Amino acid sequence: AQSVTQLGSHVSVSEGALVLLRCNYSSSVPPYLFWYVQYPNQGLQLLLKYTSAATLVKGINGFEAEFKKSETSFHLTKPSAHMSDAAEYFCAVITAPSGAGSYQLTFGKGTKLSVIP
Amino acid sequence: EAGVTQFPSHSVIEKGQTVTLRCDPISGHDNLYWYRRVMGKEIKFLLHFVKESKQDESGMPNNRFLAERTGGTYSTLKVQPAELEDSGVYFCASSRITGNRGETQYFGPGTRLLVL
Repeated sequence: AQSVTQLGSHVSVSEGALVLLRCNYSSSVPPYLFWYVQYPNQGLQLLLKYTSAATLVKGINGFEAEFKKSETSFHLTKPSAHMSDAAEYFCAVITAPSGAGSYQLTFGKGTKLSVIP
Repeated sequence: EAGVTQFPSHSVIEKGQTVTLRCDPISGHDNLYWYRRVMGKEIKFLLHFVKESKQDESGMPNNRFLAERTGGTYSTLKVQPAELEDSGVYFCASSRITGNRGETQYFGPGTRLLVL
């Protein structure tokens, strides 16, 4: 079965500092991985996804993530944090149980990012 | 293009009452998913519709939950009778049918349910 683990339920960074949110996956098949963000009082928004093409994936708002098979990781980074990045971030993997087309997302527990002025 | 919409945004009910949540997917998206996040826990899959058919309901917690998608458009999720442990945020997501497991699922804002 596929799963993801997010290290750190809360991360604080200073404005302008590097953002690093960690995600490790477990999968018996080549994984498809996603990062979603949830801003306060809003729904989940896709930041980026890895679908077996380039290992370095660029997303919206300056975020990127690198798929490292040897480390089973898909960490999310941003060179310089902005106050508007304060949100909760979720790593997810597609799980494909039996049944054609039934691709469900399996999420990590989420990481709340705080940005300190 | 309108995104996934959910109604209501918040619902506060007493234990034993019934609540119905509604989800309107993006137009043309035949896949519709329901997920739930109980406080302090991860977001978990509940069920998946392809058009009007239930493709996978392995995540439904018990028979107090009933989901429908008549006509393959909007979907409803009814909880009857509601229990305290049903409190949480219920998300709906939709996607196109492409056969590609990397197809993006687009999420709605969620319905925050509180059972007292």
